[in-house]
Amino acid sequence: DAGITQSPRHKVTETGTPVTLRCHQTENHRYMYWYRQDPGHGLRLIHYSYGVKDTDKGEVSDGYSVSRSKTEDFLLTLESATSSQTSVYFCAISTGSNQPQHFGDGTRLSIL
Amino acid sequence: RKEVEQDPGPFNVPEGATVAFNCTYSNSASQSFFWYRQDCRKEPKLLMSVYSSGNEDGRFTAQLNRASQYISLLIRDSKLSDSATYLCVVSSGGGADGLTFGKGTHLIIQP
Repeated sequence: DAGITQSPRHKVTETGTPVTLRCHQTENHRYMYWYRQDPGHGLRLIHYSYGVKDTDKGEVSDGYSVSRSKTEDFLLTLESATSSQTSVYFCAISTGSNQPQHFGDGTRLSIL
Repeated sequence: RKEVEQDPGPFNVPEGATVAFNCTYSNSASQSFFWYRQDCRKEPKLLMSVYSSGNEDGRFTAQLNRASQYISLLIRDSKLSDSATYLCVVSSGGGADGLTFGKGTHLIIQP
């Protein structure tokens, strides 16, 4: 598998608390992505990055922010978590925007 | 809005049978096409890329029809281990936002 590590793998927290998910890669790929996956919706893009400090919004970016201060790490932050953000979050990496993406194992996040 | 449409299934197929899925996409500027496989509670994994000339990987054959904007996946001699959700994936056509994923077709191979 591609060298992608997501942390934590599971998290349960309360509404209103801040949450940060980390994606770490050892492949030196330029592009990194955060998705959420929910029943009936498939994978939906939250934010993506096309280089260090270069990020942009995806389809469902409201309530989320990201940072990429170095090539290997892409952080996803929920500033004030809501129950609607309960989901499985996947990080993915690729060498180019038209290239296949390789996914991390996912983070299961529950907001109570 | 860029769309990738798939029949969600489930497709219930006996072991050893041949099964085919199609998907359609709306973005005529898309340049790259893929099939991914996702097992329950796991991450999506690349199954194969799809080329205009069609391509085969063992029991799996993928076809692309650009004129009609659809992609197909054929699985021959299906195995129990083929049970999974198959995601049709299409590039955005040049934007940095990458790929658009279909919601997937659920396949169940029955003994």
